[in-house]
Amino acid sequence: IAGITQAPTSQILAAGRRMTLRCTQDMRHNAMYWYRQDLGLGLRLIHYSNTAGTTGKGEVPDGYSVSRANTDDFPLTLASAVPSQTSVYFCASSGGDTDTQYFGPGTRLTVL
Amino acid sequence: GQNIDQPTEMTATEGAIVQINCTYQTSGFNGLFWYQQHAGEAPTFLSYNVLDGLEEKGRFSSFLSRSKGYSYLLLKELQMKDSASYLCAVRDGNYKLSFGAGTTVTVRA
Repeated sequence: IAGITQAPTSQILAAGRRMTLRCTQDMRHNAMYWYRQDLGLGLRLIHYSNTAGTTGKGEVPDGYSVSRANTDDFPLTLASAVPSQTSVYFCASSGGDTDTQYFGPGTRLTVL
Repeated sequence: GQNIDQPTEMTATEGAIVQINCTYQTSGFNGLFWYQQHAGEAPTFLSYNVLDGLEEKGRFSSFLSRSKGYSYLLLKELQMKDSASYLCAVRDGNYKLSFGAGTTVTVRA
């Protein structure tokens, strides 16, 4: 692996179903993030983790949960999906001197 | 929260120069980032400014004025592959990154 990977690439989900989006990084970055991107609204932070074992809420956390059991993995769970959660989801991690965020390829989620 | 404003769209001709402006209001400031995002792809990092002035990286330059809450991204010698969305992002006093809605640049032949 080089960088950040996300799975699945895309998913169509029935409303009410549970779904976990996976994110893995191999850069040994401490901090990781989940964003959603909707047309005209830009990227909005859902949850973040500054280091393994800690998580925090972002701008739009409702309906989502995260865990950070180790440095590499940061899964995002939708407990009971709703159509308003249809979006493109990006995972990111940050590190280096400037703590720049680097993004995974994204997951396109459609909730019907 | 942050207020980040950038134009929605810009069009320019191949070989020309385009300047994308970004104004922001933030509680605390820990840097300003520019990202490029091609349609259907992830944002990729372009530049970082934390002090006032110009940072140059090849055909791309980014400028910051902290006192004015203002930045711009300058794209020189435009190429067709530069057609993309450009995102301005500000890191606040809590080290959280907030993004503008993005500027879609279309390069015409």
